Amino acid sequence: DQQVKQNSPSLSVQEGRISILNCDYTNSMFDYFLWYKKYPAEGPTFLISISSIKDKNEDGRFTVFLNKSAKHLSLHIVPSQPGDSAVYFCAASDWGSSNTGKLIFGQGTTLQVKP
Amino acid sequence: DAGVTQSPTHLIKTRGQQVTLRCSPKSGHDTVSWYQQALGQGPQFIFQYYEEEERQRGNFPDRFSGHQFPNYSSELNVNALLLGDSALYLCASSPGWGGLQETQYFGPGTRLLVL
Repeated sequence: DQQVKQNSPSLSVQEGRISILNCDYTNSMFDYFLWYKKYPAEGPTFLISISSIKDKNEDGRFTVFLNKSAKHLSLHIVPSQPGDSAVYFCAASDWGSSNTGKLIFGQGTTLQVKP
Repeated sequence: DAGVTQSPTHLIKTRGQQVTLRCSPKSGHDTVSWYQQALGQGPQFIFQYYEEEERQRGNFPDRFSGHQFPNYSSELNVNALLLGDSALYLCASSPGWGGLQETQYFGPGTRLLVL
């Protein structure tokens, strides 16, 4: 049972344009969501997070939107840069109720930003 | 600060064998989590150690076991290896128990191939 899904395995955008990566979840107990970026031969690195009490969180070029009723979140990267080319993972947890570090990851989306 | 380190980087085993993977957490971190990332999939939570005890476990069989040492480093042991155990094994460390997940740092992983 895939509780966190990233339905687009890959995405290609032009440098300077917006990249939108999507993520859906099924477990209504999830209350904290994170995006990670992963380069080859490296571990995932934290990018941005959002609590379920918010619908938007912004950090520089990165913005995460959360639609709780649709159980959907998205990561917007504006403007996209070639260095953003990586695999992006969406992750979720029930941190507010379980207070643990267990993360449920999606399958990942490979983003390619073309110069 | 070396961050999270894992050894070895690559490993080849045959079916039925046993394997031990090692992880040294980031300085100041005392909680260690292990994840399995199969090819084309997102990381899957195996278990988490804090104060030398397994605190939470994912949906993995008992063939997967672990240990945390007084210096907070950790081992992941897998017995009776199956072909399906071939994956990238990621270690993540974080400070304290129940902290926000963005404080969780991942190592580069150990690539295990079972023949």
